[in-house]
Amino acid sequence: GESVGLHLPTLSVQEGDNSIINCAYSNSASDYFIWYKQESGKGPQFIIDIRSNMDKRQGQRVTVLLNKTVKHLSLQIAATQPGDSAVYFCAENRGGSARQLTFGSGTQLTVLP
Amino acid sequence: GAVVSQHPSRVICKSGTSVKIECRSLDFQATTMFWYRQFPKQSLMLMATSNEGSKATYEQGVEKDKFLINHASLTLSTLTVTSAHPEDSSFYICSARGQYSVSQYFGPGTRLLVL
Repeated sequence: GESVGLHLPTLSVQEGDNSIINCAYSNSASDYFIWYKQESGKGPQFIIDIRSNMDKRQGQRVTVLLNKTVKHLSLQIAATQPGDSAVYFCAENRGGSARQLTFGSGTQLTVLP
Repeated sequence: GAVVSQHPSRVICKSGTSVKIECRSLDFQATTMFWYRQFPKQSLMLMATSNEGSKATYEQGVEKDKFLINHASLTLSTLTVTSAHPEDSSFYICSARGQYSVSQYFGPGTRLLVL
């Protein structure tokens, strides 16, 4: 079946460095993608989203890049801070009227002091 | 804006009992609500989608008679885990979406432990 997946299950970065979290998707019909941050014991928190008619979108310290040719999504976090330590999920809109999301497996980001 | 709450945040129950989890959209009308289950170190798995006033649509492999979902109003959906067993222990998360929105807003989750 079609799925959303991540390349790396864990990522450790030094405080102040930039982080890049990657995600591969296989449904070429997906038109909307979202990145979520989940801290331990909490629900997912929206970070940034991007529609399929865009290839880049920037937020505050975060940038999402979408490469539809290779079905790849990435989240870049600038000047990573200790508070950025969490699990990051990409999610893909399945389409249809309900607009259900399919989540990737997640990447655990650890920020080292 | 777009705040979703869940109650309770944690629940411990004995095997065989039923547990009800509430999901509320506090400042918007949620025409669609979603229920997810998340096991430790794993991703969120969609269990069911519910639209206000209609029956929920369950994902393949999710027992509708075990996980009863009610979405009786535009601000409240409930998930009842009937005859809970230890394997039902998990983190249950709801999300809500407004009629004209593409975004889902997530609740803080409910940790269920069945002894």
